[in-house]
Amino acid sequence: NAGVTQTPKFQVLKTGQSMTLQCAQDMNHNSMYWYRQDPGMGLRLIYYSASEGTTDKGEVPNGYNVSRLNKREFSLRLESAAPSQTSVYFCASSVPPDRVEPQHFGDGTRLSIL
Amino acid sequence: AQRVTQPEKLLSVFKGAPVELKCNYSYSGSPELFWYVQYSRQRLQLLLRHISRESIKGFTADLNKGETSFHLKKPFAQEEDSAMYYCALSPRAGGYQKVTFGIGTKLQVIP
Repeated sequence: NAGVTQTPKFQVLKTGQSMTLQCAQDMNHNSMYWYRQDPGMGLRLIYYSASEGTTDKGEVPNGYNVSRLNKREFSLRLESAAPSQTSVYFCASSVPPDRVEPQHFGDGTRLSIL
Repeated sequence: AQRVTQPEKLLSVFKGAPVELKCNYSYSGSPELFWYVQYSRQRLQLLLRHISRESIKGFTADLNKGETSFHLKKPFAQEEDSAMYYCALSPRAGGYQKVTFGIGTKLQVIP
């Protein structure tokens, strides 16, 4: 039972580099989320996807792009990494409309940008 | 704008003592409230939802609209309750699921 799988678990980038964080879920959930977690700030929503092919901005979308090419996968891309994007990133999924909250989380990706 | 406040970063209690993790919120409409928990080296997981009125692992939480609070309580703390706890709010407005999390409270149960 993998649930929500995130790759990679750790990554170090230099300022200006690009990378894509991958997320996949095997629970046939419609909704998927990307959050970032910073000390003293809790989890903040970056992007949200209600279904395949649809995405919507969350609270802190600047500097990120997302892609929901199929129901299983929801990727987060940093086109030009900045030190302010150093954070722990969590992917999550849920089954609306009866559930409005993220139900299952991945292990997280710890990203450091130098 | 919606906001969730968890006033305590760290709460230390002795094993067997009652636990109350505080959560206050601000939102003009009728929200849904949740508690999440993250045990050491485990994934963040949903603990309970106020609309379910359930008790999970001995924890309960009651939504108090007058005081805009959703405190998490347990009568007798156990060592395995040590974890990070996050309170969260969803507006359920416009069909857009936008959950706001608090900064979390670390619960430390002292043997």
